[in-house]
Amino acid sequence: AQKITQTQPGMFVQEKEAVTLDCTYDTSDQSYGLFWYKQPSSGEMIFLIYQGSYDEQNATEGRYSLNFQKARKSTNLVISASQLGDSAMYFCAMRDPPTSGNTPLVFGKGTRLSVIA
Amino acid sequence: DTEVTQTPKHLVMGMTNKKSLKCEQHMGHRAMYWYKQKAKKPPELMFVYSYEKLSINESVPSRFSPECPNSSLLNLHLHALQPEDSALYLCASSLRQGAESNYGYTFGSGTRLTVV
Repeated sequence: AQKITQTQPGMFVQEKEAVTLDCTYDTSDQSYGLFWYKQPSSGEMIFLIYQGSYDEQNATEGRYSLNFQKARKSTNLVISASQLGDSAMYFCAMRDPPTSGNTPLVFGKGTRLSVIA
Repeated sequence: DTEVTQTPKHLVMGMTNKKSLKCEQHMGHRAMYWYKQKAKKPPELMFVYSYEKLSINESVPSRFSPECPNSSLLNLHLHALQPEDSALYLCASSLRQGAESNYGYTFGSGTRLTVV
């Protein structure tokens, strides 16, 4: 069974500063996918970044990057140069590969990020 | 605008009403999902449709009835709901169920349901 843990219920960051959101996971599979989503108050889940378990390099997408440590089973999201529009709920999620059968996306409890001007 | 369209965006219904939530995507995705999200909680999976067939039903009460008329549409029929069913209902799609792991989901904006 999968398990995603986000230990930071809420985080504050000053505008233009960087912030790291933590995520650890637990799985017995060797192959899996890790995702981060942003959910503003409007409710839509917005895909941010993906890391495959066999990817040797940390994923980056614009101001978003992952600090992926497979041995520690962690995939922390780093947001650089924070903007006021980054204030939202951030969810870490995991999906197993097709050999596991039906394996929907499973979410952590989320971290609410507040960017301060 | 999101590529997964959900209607209505807001819905208030009584406990004796029958209503339907609709979800539509035109990305050629063959897997579609319903999630329920209570306030300050993560989304919880309700149903998975793969190639228009129900493949996962996470023990959801029968007052929720999903329907997938074709590969682009996903409905959620609601009947005799309870106030605790009030939540944000999110629809999502992916290229196909059982694809490589990097096929993430595309979510709609959700329907905010209030049962009175």
